[in-house]
Amino acid sequence: TQLLEQSPQFLSIQEGENLTVYCNSSSVFSSLQWYRQEPGEGPVLLVTVVTGGEVKKLKRLTFQFGDARKDSSLHITAAQPGDTGLYLCAGDNAGGTSYGKLTFGQGTILTVHP
Amino acid sequence: DTGVSQNPRHKITKRGQNVTFRCDPISEHNRLYWYRQTLGQGPEFLTYFQNEAQLEKSRLLSDRFSAERPKGSFSTLEIQRTEQGDSAMYLCASSNPGLSYNEQFFGPGTRLTVL
Repeated sequence: TQLLEQSPQFLSIQEGENLTVYCNSSSVFSSLQWYRQEPGEGPVLLVTVVTGGEVKKLKRLTFQFGDARKDSSLHITAAQPGDTGLYLCAGDNAGGTSYGKLTFGQGTILTVHP
Repeated sequence: DTGVSQNPRHKITKRGQNVTFRCDPISEHNRLYWYRQTLGQGPEFLTYFQNEAQLEKSRLLSDRFSAERPKGSFSTLEIQRTEQGDSAMYLCASSNPGLSYNEQFFGPGTRLTVL
């Protein structure tokens, strides 16, 4: 059973467009982390959201944690080719059952064309 | 500190051979995690240590897999009698909940190919 559903799985857009990636679950998480991964490399942490309703901004990236701490979104404004990569959401302590273990979504492969 | 390191970066082996991977976490991190990632999927949790104690193991971790963290610093993951289904990227991460909200920082991974 996939605890974290990430959508869309693939996204191909032109430079300058905006996009949103969604991460949904029926489980409550203590926190949720977003990572970006390049081919052949490990995931790189972008942000951690902890409080329900929290919004964090990282330059052109905006991250939101749902009020019930079950879902999250990543919005990129004016995408650039350098944003290309695999974006992963990961929840910590799903349902309060296992502190420390991250549960990952299946990822969104983003391609930004010049 | 240069972050989490993993060795080797790539390993090609024949079915039935044993392999061992090493992970060196960020020095002040007391938690260390192993994950496995196959193509087109997000990482899946295998096991984690707090200091030298192995606190949780996934059911994905069959009897052929064993992990150690003998002195609470580096960790090794051994796979015995490898099978083609073991081919994957093996990722190590570390964290220190006392410093941040259990943010996990990943190493570059070890890519295993079983022929």
